Amino acid sequence: RKEVEQDPGPFNVPEGATVAFNCTYSNSASQSFFWYRQDCRKEPKLLMSVYSSGNEDGRFTAQLNRASQYISLLIRDSKLSDSATYLCVVGTSGTYKYIFGTGTRLKVLA
Amino acid sequence: GAGVSQSPSNKVTEKGKDVELRCDPISGHTALYWYRQRLGQGLEFLIYFQGNSAPDKSGLPSDRFSAERTGESVSTLTIQRTQQEDSAVYLCASSPSGSPRGLAGGRGAQDTQYFGPGTRLTVL
Repeated sequence: RKEVEQDPGPFNVPEGATVAFNCTYSNSASQSFFWYRQDCRKEPKLLMSVYSSGNEDGRFTAQLNRASQYISLLIRDSKLSDSATYLCVVGTSGTYKYIFGTGTRLKVLA
Repeated sequence: GAGVSQSPSNKVTEKGKDVELRCDPISGHTALYWYRQRLGQGLEFLIYFQGNSAPDKSGLPSDRFSAERTGESVSTLTIQRTQQEDSAVYLCASSPSGSPRGLAGGRGAQDTQYFGPGTRLTVL
């Protein structure tokens, strides 16, 4: 089993739709969770961290489910500019290695 | 302030030649990472530097790869005798500190990684 797994997609959704991605992780000692966004041929950029109680940033909501070992990202009112690959990143306390998922590709269609 | 910078942005080389890639981290960031991303693939960890501690080189794929960092500043990744399978984007990231700090989170958290634009390496 991979340490961090994501559905590669692509998720093709119309503008204005709500879309959700999940990311599962295998190490129960994981402590830090992030969502990064990567545009085609660009570097990853931090979208948001994931707090234990869940957190929201505008149209984006991140949730952590420790019992089932997954994090989720919800995007409401999708925009064309949201089209990108979304990377799940997991870090474990006591180690500096962050594991990146292979990403979920989102295409928002006009 | 300035972000992470990398040079060159693109490098085309012939099989068997050596290449050197450079990363300038954000000033004050003690942790620096190198990753490799092959076309259509995820990020592959290569090496980690934290302050003056010995680097963790466990992700380097072969002894043709090496990296150095001067104090808490510039880092160079060197690939000797390049092979076609070395073709990829090499990404550098820095963070204020390298160790996951739990769920404090938030932009600017100590363990958030900031990426440079990468060096696209093509080995012919």
